[in-house]
Amino acid sequence: DAKTTQPPSMDCAEGRAANLPCNHSTISGNEYVYWYRQIHSQGPQYIIHGLKNNETNEMASLIITEDRKSSTLILPHATLRDTAVYYCIAGTSYGKLTFGQGTILTVHP
Amino acid sequence: KAGVTQTPRYLIKTRGQQVTLSCSPISGHRSVSWYQQTPGQGLQFLFEYFSETQRNKGNFPGRFSGRQFSNSRSEMNVSTLELGDSALYLCASSLGGAGTVISPLHFGNGTRLTVT
Repeated sequence: DAKTTQPPSMDCAEGRAANLPCNHSTISGNEYVYWYRQIHSQGPQYIIHGLKNNETNEMASLIITEDRKSSTLILPHATLRDTAVYYCIAGTSYGKLTFGQGTILTVHP
Repeated sequence: KAGVTQTPRYLIKTRGQQVTLSCSPISGHRSVSWYQQTPGQGLQFLFEYFSETQRNKGNFPGRFSGRQFSNSRSEMNVSTLELGDSALYLCASSLGGAGTVISPLHFGNGTRLTVT
């Protein structure tokens, strides 16, 4: 799996968009970008994944740069319940994902 | 649809003992993966099973083992427990098909193991 780099922490005001960056400059052509989040005392929750194109679902949007060396997860209207550790992962193997330290996102009122 | 269920939720064991943790995947999911989470090392991959066969393995000693049953349920076993095995053990399931489409992992809430 390619190494990913994320800022250790970020803050966001409730109701505003949260933009979480991730660098994966060594990603290979067949590696997907995944985003998961983990709220304290719970297992990680899948958010979204993509290969080349931008993706959107009911939770978030994923923007992948054209060279695929970085991506941004966008939570369009952050709420207090979005406070969590967000993990960006680049990989291919079924079931085997390499988690880094992630970004602690704090949404404040 | 019921999520991934892990039992027990909490366990306290003594050094040298062994422990078995259980995981019931989401109905229809055939792949089950296990992860260990500690404050120092974060989330680390242990192994993955698909159709009762271990398909991937992480860098853990042989004291850590697992198996998967025909109904996709999985167990992991840790023998000769050490203090450093204290962790949150997470199970995740996915469709895990043999094709090229990656299906996301769905995690349970884990088993908190404390070794004293």
